[in-house]
Amino acid sequence: EVQLVESGGDLVQPGRSLRLSCAASGFTFDDYAMHWVRQAPGKGLEWVSGISWNSGRIAYADSVKGRFTISRDNAKNSLYLQMNSLRPEDTALYHCGKGPGITFIDYWGQGTLVTVSS
Amino acid sequence: DIVLTQSPVTLSVSPGERATLSCRASQSISTTLAWYLQKPGQAPRLLIYAASTRAIGIPARFSGSGSGTEFTLTISSLQSEDFAVYYCQQYNNRSTFGQGTKVEIK
Repeated sequence: EVQLVESGGDLVQPGRSLRLSCAASGFTFDDYAMHWVRQAPGKGLEWVSGISWNSGRIAYADSVKGRFTISRDNAKNSLYLQMNSLRPEDTALYHCGKGPGITFIDYWGQGTLVTVSS
Repeated sequence: DIVLTQSPVTLSVSPGERATLSCRASQSISTTLAWYLQKPGQAPRLLIYAASTRAIGIPARFSGSGSGTEFTLTISSLQSEDFAVYYCQQYNNRSTFGQGTKVEIK
């Protein structure tokens, strides 16, 4: 059974940093690209970032480019999102997901909540 | 960035009726479009990719069509479990989502 379990969400002050993790199981992790997608409370989905199977291709939404860094460790079946210079508008439930390339997402995790507030 | 505009924002439909949802792209994206369903408190679920290919396990009542800038998701006969929010996503140039269409019980 495919499982994606996010962790690391927390309440942080504006300007601070946070690192999210996503633990994958039930599939061959290094066969798939991975994504981060966020959803602000009561709002729609916003794609944040994607990374190819071998980290050779990485892409970011303009809203996070230069502040967030996506990475993966295929030996640990894990995906990460380093978030720096956090803003209140980054408050959201952050989902990780897998897919065939930086394309569509065929399976999603339940998400981890990030709240940016003073 | 490519902007996706979904319509209508809310669609009221009776069980057993047909539902038609639209997604318009601000520039041509060929068929690099996916559709997802999201129920309250749950993660999204992939329905359609490449504009018209059903994902594994998705019932035949869901169908997708379109190319270029105009896309449609059709649910031929709404079941109780289909009342949810639907999102389109383009993956032609990085990725963006539409704002969603809520399908509610009439």
